Amino acid sequence: AIQMTQSPSSLSASVGDRVTITCRASQGIRNELGWYQQKPGKAPKLLIYGASTLQSGVPSRFSGSGSGTDFTLTISSLQPEDFATYYCIQDYNYPRTFGQGTKLEIK
Amino acid sequence: EVQLVESGGGLVQPGGSLRLSCAASGFTFSTYWMTWVRQAPGRGLEWVANMRGDGGLEYYVDSVKGRFTISRDSENSMYLQMNNLRAEDTAVYYCARDLNIEIGGYFDAFDLWGQGTMVTVSS
Repeated sequence: AIQMTQSPSSLSASVGDRVTITCRASQGIRNELGWYQQKPGKAPKLLIYGASTLQSGVPSRFSGSGSGTDFTLTISSLQPEDFATYYCIQDYNYPRTFGQGTKLEIK
Repeated sequence: EVQLVESGGGLVQPGGSLRLSCAASGFTFSTYWMTWVRQAPGRGLEWVANMRGDGGLEYYVDSVKGRFTISRDSENSMYLQMNNLRAEDTAVYYCARDLNIEIGGYFDAFDLWGQGTMVTVSS
């Protein structure tokens, strides 16, 4: 199975900061990657699919990039509601695999 | 209302069985791939299984192959039959709708999720 490694595992930031989360695949996955946001006790929420396509209704401060093995999720200006855990997932092949998550906390 | 509602979770002994249900409403269920994702307490997300809209294709993570079976019916429900349960299967189980978006190739996009149902495997 393809291993997805996110970094950092946790991150402290302030409202208004620009934040970047990285996801690395153990082999090339083209652009077949999604990003999800999860808040405590809630189901995940789709942010981005196809590495860079923003899901409808997701604020434009979220963006994704990358191809092959290295991907990033960027939040251009953190808002209070963005403090959550973020996961990447590859959909290049089966089984689908998630990264271990990046917990974004308020500094 | 467009929604997914899971049910069927509970406490079961190791080696036991449980059947989870995911009831869909507000959309044409048969046209979507559907997915199960689980999350052990305090841990990350794990993709478990999925099934094509017509039921003709299904995939599983290795750790559940031969023990779990995904299925769906014509009444807008999806199921996860879980047999020979182990302590490591303890988790919240979510069902999710996959938009399976075509842009050149096909991309997973789990845009609709249920609230989750807790499965605890313990003696």
